[in-house]
Amino acid sequence: DVKVTQSSRYLVKRTGEKVFLECVQDMDHENMFWYRQDPGLGLRLIYFSYDVKMKEKGDIPEGYSVSREKKERFSLILESASTNQTSMYLCASSRPTRVSGANVLTFGAGSRLTVL
Amino acid sequence: AQKITQTQPGMFVQEKEAVTLDCTYDTSDQSYGLFWYKQPSSGEMIFLIYQGSYDEQNATEGRYSLNFQKARKSANLVISASQLGDSAMYFCAMREGSARQLTFGSGTQLTVLP
Repeated sequence: DVKVTQSSRYLVKRTGEKVFLECVQDMDHENMFWYRQDPGLGLRLIYFSYDVKMKEKGDIPEGYSVSREKKERFSLILESASTNQTSMYLCASSRPTRVSGANVLTFGAGSRLTVL
Repeated sequence: AQKITQTQPGMFVQEKEAVTLDCTYDTSDQSYGLFWYKQPSSGEMIFLIYQGSYDEQNATEGRYSLNFQKARKSANLVISASQLGDSAMYFCAMREGSARQLTFGSGTQLTVLP
Protein backbone atom coordinates (compact mmCIF):
# COMPACT_ATOMS: atom_id res chain seq x y z
CA ASP A 1 0.00 0.00 0.00
CA VAL A 2 1.11 3.52 -0.72
CA LYS A 3 1.87 5.30 2.47
CA VAL A 4 2.06 9.04 2.95
CA THR A 5 3.36 10.07 6.34
CA GLN A 6 3.07 13.51 7.82
CA SER A 7 5.52 14.10 10.63
CA SER A 8 3.28 15.98 13.04
CA ARG A 9 -0.35 15.29 13.74
CA TYR A 10 -0.85 18.36 15.93
CA LEU A 11 1.25 21.48 16.25
CA VAL A 12 0.82 24.66 18.25
CA LYS A 13 2.98 27.61 17.25
CA ARG A 14 3.17 31.28 18.04
CA THR A 15 2.64 34.14 15.60
CA GLY A 16 5.85 34.92 13.75
CA GLU A 17 7.44 31.51 14.25
CA LYS A 18 8.84 29.58 11.31
CA VAL A 19 6.95 26.31 10.85
CA PHE A 20 7.99 23.21 8.94
CA LEU A 21 5.48 20.55 7.96
CA GLU A 22 7.12 17.41 6.64
CA CYS A 23 5.65 14.79 4.34
CA VAL A 24 7.23 11.53 3.18
CA GLN A 25 5.85 8.98 0.72
CA ASP A 26 7.25 5.51 0.18
CA MET A 27 6.00 4.55 -3.29
CA ASP A 28 8.30 6.51 -5.55
CA HIS A 29 5.57 8.90 -6.65
CA GLU A 30 6.59 11.81 -8.84
CA ASN A 31 3.84 14.18 -7.79
CA MET A 32 3.38 15.57 -4.31
CA PHE A 33 0.88 18.11 -3.05
CA TRP A 34 0.06 20.30 -0.08
CA TYR A 35 -3.57 21.18 0.52
CA ARG A 36 -5.16 23.21 3.25
CA GLN A 37 -8.58 22.23 4.61
CA ASP A 38 -10.94 24.68 6.27
CA PRO A 39 -14.61 24.22 7.22
CA GLY A 40 -16.95 25.26 4.44
CA LEU A 41 -14.07 25.76 2.00
CA GLY A 42 -13.05 22.17 1.36
CA LEU A 43 -9.48 21.49 0.30
CA ARG A 44 -7.48 24.22 -1.38
CA LEU A 45 -4.19 23.60 -3.13
CA ILE A 46 -1.19 25.49 -1.75
CA TYR A 47 1.71 24.07 -3.78
CA PHE A 48 2.58 20.95 -5.67
CA SER A 49 5.72 19.39 -7.06
CA TYR A 50 6.15 17.06 -10.04
CA ASP A 51 9.87 16.37 -9.63
CA VAL A 52 12.78 16.97 -7.30
CA LYS A 53 13.44 20.70 -6.91
CA MET A 54 10.41 21.49 -9.08
CA LYS A 55 7.37 23.24 -7.67
CA GLU A 56 4.27 24.99 -8.86
CA LYS A 57 1.96 27.37 -7.06
CA GLY A 58 -1.55 26.27 -6.34
CA ASP A 59 -4.53 28.45 -5.58
CA ILE A 60 -3.37 29.90 -2.24
CA PRO A 61 0.45 30.03 -2.13
CA GLU A 62 0.74 33.34 -0.27
CA GLY A 63 2.53 32.99 3.05
CA TYR A 64 3.88 29.53 2.19
CA SER A 65 6.91 28.03 0.52
CA VAL A 66 7.89 24.44 -0.22
CA SER A 67 10.99 22.34 -0.59
CA ARG A 68 11.56 19.09 -2.42
CA GLU A 69 15.18 18.05 -2.18
CA LYS A 70 14.46 14.32 -2.41
CA LYS A 71 11.78 12.54 -4.37
CA GLU A 72 10.11 11.04 -1.32
CA ARG A 73 9.97 14.19 0.80
CA PHE A 74 7.95 17.37 0.35
CA SER A 75 8.08 20.07 3.00
CA LEU A 76 5.71 22.96 3.56
CA ILE A 77 7.21 26.02 5.20
CA LEU A 78 5.45 28.90 6.88
CA GLU A 79 8.14 31.57 7.06
CA SER A 80 6.30 33.65 9.66
CA ALA A 81 3.18 31.94 10.95
CA SER A 82 0.03 34.00 11.32
CA THR A 83 -3.25 33.21 13.05
CA ASN A 84 -5.06 32.92 9.71
CA GLN A 85 -2.85 29.96 8.88
CA THR A 86 -4.48 27.94 11.65
CA SER A 87 -5.83 25.01 9.67
CA MET A 88 -5.59 21.34 8.76
CA TYR A 89 -2.82 20.66 6.27
CA LEU A 90 -2.99 17.59 4.06
CA CYS A 91 -0.15 16.15 2.03
CA ALA A 92 -0.79 13.86 -0.93
CA SER A 93 1.15 12.07 -3.64
CA SER A 94 0.42 10.46 -7.01
CA ARG A 95 2.02 8.92 -10.05
CA PRO A 96 2.50 11.00 -13.23
CA THR A 97 -0.77 12.06 -14.75
CA ARG A 98 -2.18 10.13 -17.65
CA VAL A 99 -4.94 11.55 -19.76
CA SER A 100 -7.15 8.61 -18.96
CA GLY A 101 -7.32 6.60 -15.80
CA ALA A 102 -7.87 7.43 -12.19
CA ASN A 103 -4.34 8.32 -11.08
CA VAL A 104 -5.59 8.70 -7.54
CA LEU A 105 -4.12 11.09 -5.00
CA THR A 106 -3.12 9.28 -1.81
CA PHE A 107 -3.28 11.41 1.30
CA GLY A 108 -1.52 11.50 4.63
CA ALA A 109 -3.40 11.71 7.93
CA GLY A 110 -3.12 15.49 8.09
CA SER A 111 -1.38 17.99 10.35
CA ARG A 112 -3.57 20.24 12.44
CA LEU A 113 -1.76 23.51 13.02
CA THR A 114 -2.84 26.10 15.56
CA VAL A 115 -1.14 29.50 15.49
CA LEU A 116 -1.60 31.54 18.67
CA ALA B 1 -17.02 30.36 -10.83
CA GLN B 2 -16.68 27.35 -8.59
CA LYS B 3 -15.29 24.36 -10.42
CA ILE B 4 -16.85 21.88 -8.01
CA THR B 5 -20.07 22.62 -6.15
CA GLN B 6 -21.48 20.56 -3.33
CA THR B 7 -24.70 22.18 -2.21
CA GLN B 8 -25.44 19.98 0.81
CA PRO B 9 -23.31 20.98 3.81
CA GLY B 10 -24.96 18.27 5.90
CA MET B 11 -27.11 15.21 5.25
CA PHE B 12 -28.81 12.67 7.47
CA VAL B 13 -29.81 9.16 6.45
CA GLN B 14 -31.30 6.25 8.29
CA GLU B 15 -29.17 3.14 8.58
CA LYS B 16 -29.75 0.66 5.70
CA GLU B 17 -31.27 3.33 3.46
CA ALA B 18 -29.68 4.73 0.31
CA VAL B 19 -28.43 8.30 0.11
CA THR B 20 -27.34 10.57 -2.74
CA LEU B 21 -24.69 13.23 -2.28
CA ASP B 22 -24.79 15.92 -4.94
CA CYS B 23 -21.88 17.25 -6.95
CA THR B 24 -21.87 19.54 -9.96
CA TYR B 25 -18.77 20.59 -11.85
CA ASP B 26 -17.69 23.21 -14.32
CA THR B 27 -15.02 22.70 -16.95
CA SER B 28 -14.43 23.46 -20.60
CA ASP B 29 -12.08 20.48 -20.98
CA GLN B 30 -13.42 17.49 -22.90
CA SER B 31 -11.17 15.18 -20.91
CA TYR B 32 -11.54 15.20 -17.15
CA GLY B 33 -11.93 12.88 -14.21
CA LEU B 34 -14.25 13.01 -11.25
CA PHE B 35 -13.43 11.59 -7.84
CA TRP B 36 -15.14 11.05 -4.53
CA TYR B 37 -13.24 10.88 -1.26
CA LYS B 38 -14.42 10.05 2.25
CA GLN B 39 -12.92 11.71 5.32
CA PRO B 40 -13.85 10.09 8.64
CA SER B 41 -13.35 11.96 11.88
CA SER B 42 -9.82 10.56 12.04
CA GLY B 43 -8.95 12.97 9.22
CA GLU B 44 -7.44 10.72 6.56
CA MET B 45 -8.85 11.08 3.04
CA ILE B 46 -10.01 7.77 1.57
CA PHE B 47 -10.52 7.40 -2.17
CA LEU B 48 -13.91 5.90 -3.00
CA ILE B 49 -14.67 6.04 -6.71
CA TYR B 50 -13.59 7.53 -10.03
CA GLN B 51 -15.40 8.42 -13.26
CA GLY B 52 -13.63 9.46 -16.45
CA SER B 53 -15.37 11.87 -18.79
CA TYR B 54 -15.24 9.34 -21.61
CA ASP B 55 -16.53 6.45 -19.53
CA GLU B 56 -19.93 5.50 -20.86
CA GLN B 57 -20.99 3.46 -17.88
CA ASN B 58 -21.50 4.84 -14.41
CA ALA B 59 -18.72 3.77 -12.05
CA THR B 60 -19.52 1.40 -9.22
CA GLU B 61 -17.44 0.18 -6.28
CA GLY B 62 -19.29 -2.05 -3.87
CA ARG B 63 -21.98 0.03 -2.18
CA TYR B 64 -20.81 3.18 -3.93
CA SER B 65 -21.95 4.25 -7.36
CA LEU B 66 -21.46 7.45 -9.27
CA ASN B 67 -24.46 8.84 -11.10
CA PHE B 68 -22.70 10.61 -13.97
CA GLN B 69 -24.87 12.95 -16.05
CA LYS B 70 -22.50 14.62 -18.47
CA ALA B 71 -24.97 17.02 -20.07
CA ARG B 72 -25.99 18.30 -16.66
CA LYS B 73 -22.37 18.30 -15.43
CA SER B 74 -23.28 16.34 -12.36
CA ALA B 75 -21.49 13.47 -10.64
CA ASN B 76 -23.57 12.44 -7.67
CA LEU B 77 -22.40 9.77 -5.25
CA VAL B 78 -24.95 7.14 -4.29
CA ILE B 79 -24.35 5.06 -1.19
CA SER B 80 -26.63 2.07 -0.92
CA ALA B 81 -27.57 0.37 2.35
CA SER B 82 -25.97 3.00 4.57
CA GLN B 83 -23.97 1.85 7.57
CA LEU B 84 -23.04 3.71 10.75
CA GLY B 85 -19.44 3.67 9.57
CA ASP B 86 -20.43 5.74 6.54
CA SER B 87 -20.78 8.79 8.78
CA ALA B 88 -18.05 11.09 7.50
CA MET B 89 -17.30 14.12 5.36
CA TYR B 90 -17.50 13.40 1.63
CA PHE B 91 -15.64 15.40 -0.98
CA CYS B 92 -16.16 15.55 -4.72
CA ALA B 93 -13.10 16.46 -6.80
CA MET B 94 -12.11 16.93 -10.44
CA ARG B 95 -8.96 16.66 -12.51
CA GLU B 96 -9.07 18.66 -15.76
CA GLY B 97 -7.19 17.42 -18.80
CA SER B 98 -3.62 16.45 -17.96
CA ALA B 99 -3.48 18.50 -14.76
CA ARG B 100 -1.64 16.88 -11.90
CA GLN B 101 -3.81 18.34 -9.15
CA LEU B 102 -7.39 17.83 -8.08
CA THR B 103 -9.86 20.61 -7.37
CA PHE B 104 -12.15 19.83 -4.46
CA GLY B 105 -15.64 20.88 -3.44
CA SER B 106 -16.57 22.13 -0.01
CA GLY B 107 -17.77 18.75 1.19
CA THR B 108 -20.92 17.17 2.59
CA GLN B 109 -21.07 15.91 6.18
CA LEU B 110 -23.09 12.69 6.19
CA THR B 111 -24.55 11.35 9.40
CA VAL B 112 -26.05 7.87 9.44
CA LEU B 113 -28.69 7.45 12.12
CA PRO B 114 -29.28 4.11 13.88
